[in-house]
Amino acid sequence: AQSVTQLGSHVSVSEGALVLLRCNYSSSVPPYLFWYVQYPNQGLQLLLKYTTGATLVKGINGFEAEFKKSETSFHLTKPSAHMSDAAEYFCAVTLTDKLIFGTGTRLQVFP
Amino acid sequence: DGGITQSPKYLFRKEGQNVTLSCEQNLNHDAMYWYRQDPGQGLRLIYYSQIVNDFQKGDIAEGYSVSREKKESFPLTVTSAQKNPTAFYLCASSHDTFYGYTFGSGTRLTVV
Repeated sequence: AQSVTQLGSHVSVSEGALVLLRCNYSSSVPPYLFWYVQYPNQGLQLLLKYTTGATLVKGINGFEAEFKKSETSFHLTKPSAHMSDAAEYFCAVTLTDKLIFGTGTRLQVFP
Repeated sequence: DGGITQSPKYLFRKEGQNVTLSCEQNLNHDAMYWYRQDPGQGLRLIYYSQIVNDFQKGDIAEGYSVSREKKESFPLTVTSAQKNPTAFYLCASSHDTFYGYTFGSGTRLTVV
């Protein structure tokens, strides 16, 4: 069965530092994988997605993620954190007709 | 602009009352979804619908009901049978899971 695990419910970085948010998945079929961002009291916004093709996917706001089949991972990175990146981030995997979401990682950015 | 609208943004109700949350989309998406979000628990699926006049239970359907009479609309009713209804509710729609979901801005329900 498909599932998603996000390691670390909270991540803190300094402004300008590397952001790394971890996501591991389990899927019996080739997965579609997504990262979403949620700002306080708002809905989720799609950051990027992997479906097929190139394993390094670039998204909005300077984020990117790499699909690694051998490690069943889809970690989200950004070279240099900005204060505006503070939010909650969700990884998701497809399960036929719906998405399965991880429990989220809250990113704090310190000046 | 196309999008998905949830209303109201904040809702307060007394315990024991039913309440209906609105979700409308003009994206021409076939599928619509309702999620509940609680701190530290991520998103939990309540109900979803792939086509008009058909819907399926999600992981936490007890105490909730839905209808899908029109493609654009997927209202969620939180009934008095829901034991802990205070939460943030998110509606989403999708053309196909290949494209992911488009989310509304959410409704925060507080039951007192």
